[in-house]
Amino acid sequence: DAKTTQPTSMDCAEGRAANLPCNHSTISGNEYVYWYRQIHSQGPQYIIHGLKNNETNEMASLIITEDRKSSTLILPHATLRDTAVYYCIVVLSNDYKLSFGAGTTVTVRA
Amino acid sequence: SAVISQKPSRDICQRGTSLTIQCQVDSQVTMMFWYRQQPGQSLTLIATANQGSEATYESGFVIDKFPISRPNLTFSTLTVSNMSPEDSSIYLCSVRPSSGNTIYFGEGSWLTVV
Repeated sequence: DAKTTQPTSMDCAEGRAANLPCNHSTISGNEYVYWYRQIHSQGPQYIIHGLKNNETNEMASLIITEDRKSSTLILPHATLRDTAVYYCIVVLSNDYKLSFGAGTTVTVRA
Repeated sequence: SAVISQKPSRDICQRGTSLTIQCQVDSQVTMMFWYRQQPGQSLTLIATANQGSEATYESGFVIDKFPISRPNLTFSTLTVSNMSPEDSSIYLCSVRPSSGNTIYFGEGSWLTVV
């Protein structure tokens, strides 16, 4: 599976949009980009995933560049409860094995 | 979506003993996985639980240490055998439902080996 690169940490202001970048320059055509987050002491929570089109759901938006080598997760209005470790993972279709990196520790501040 | 229940949620175990963790899903799922998260670390895939056949283990994990059962499409168990303090971790079950490409996780089972 392709590897991903994420910033180690980010601070965000409450009420503002949080933009979380992820590089996946070796992604192949049949690999999806998945985002999860893990709040301390809990199991990972699914956020969103996409193949090549931008995606939006009730939690977030996923923007994938045209060459698919990077993506951005957008939390439109960050709250204190969004403080978590966010993982960007590239997943081979029909495989569904998740290879977790270190993720980005996001701290939302009042 | 899928609702996943894991038991036990927490346990403290004596070294040398074995513990079986259960994962129950509220709907039939095509794929079930077991992950481990050691203290301060990210998640690592242990194995894919295959219904009606032996689990498929990732590099570094073996059946003798982590035997897995999956008798049907909604249930799986992971046993941590002959435990040592290095096995102190969170063990997580994840599933892919029969439709869609979303993968869901349980809340995990926190094991402390003393």
